[in-house]
Amino acid sequence: QVLLQESGPGLVKPSESLSLTCSVSGASISGERYYWAWIRQPPGKGLEWIGSVSYTGNPYVDPSLGRRVSISVDTSGNRFSLNMASVTAADTARYYCARSHYDSTRFDIWGRGVLVTVSS
Amino acid sequence: LMLTQPHSVSESPGKTVTISCTGSGASIATNYVQWYQQRPGSAPITVIHEDDQRPSGVPDRFSGSVDRSSNSASLTISGLQTEDEADYYCQTYDSSVWVFGGGTKLTVL
Repeated sequence: QVLLQESGPGLVKPSESLSLTCSVSGASISGERYYWAWIRQPPGKGLEWIGSVSYTGNPYVDPSLGRRVSISVDTSGNRFSLNMASVTAADTARYYCARSHYDSTRFDIWGRGVLVTVSS
Repeated sequence: LMLTQPHSVSESPGKTVTISCTGSGASIATNYVQWYQQRPGSAPITVIHEDDQRPSGVPDRFSGSVDRSSNSASLTISGLQTEDEADYYCQTYDSSVWVFGGGTKLTVL
């Protein structure tokens, strides 16, 4: 059974950086048929794709987030990470990590999500 | 590509409801469309993938389709049950970007 588990601080101060890690169990993150993604959901709002990374470390990021976001893969630790710089209150959301199929792009496995609040 | 969904729909138990997902800015039919169900407090789950495929465990009351002529996708749920009350999101991919629709709140009255 493939499981994804997000970890990271639940509270971040404005203008600082948000860092989250997604640990993958039950499957190798080096598998060629998958991308590994971050998706967020502000309170009471819809799903927002943040970015995805291939097993080779090739990142794809929502253009609207631009240079604020970086996503990386740690194949030895079987995990991937999200770093978002210069956060504001608008970045307050539940952050999910998920596995995306290479061919269909569907997200088939999701973590439970972690609530990150941006506040001083 | 942007995906537009109705904000909410409602229908009675036992009836059929269709949720639309309209593409703009590019063709919705270029890549597969998925549909996710999200109940309050839970992560989304896939109810339709690759336009019209149901994952194992999803009832055959759920069906999906894509219409190239209207540049839209649809999720149809027949024989509505109270447990179907949830938020539903369409999703596809375009030019290295994964795209979600804004979501539709389904109320089963």
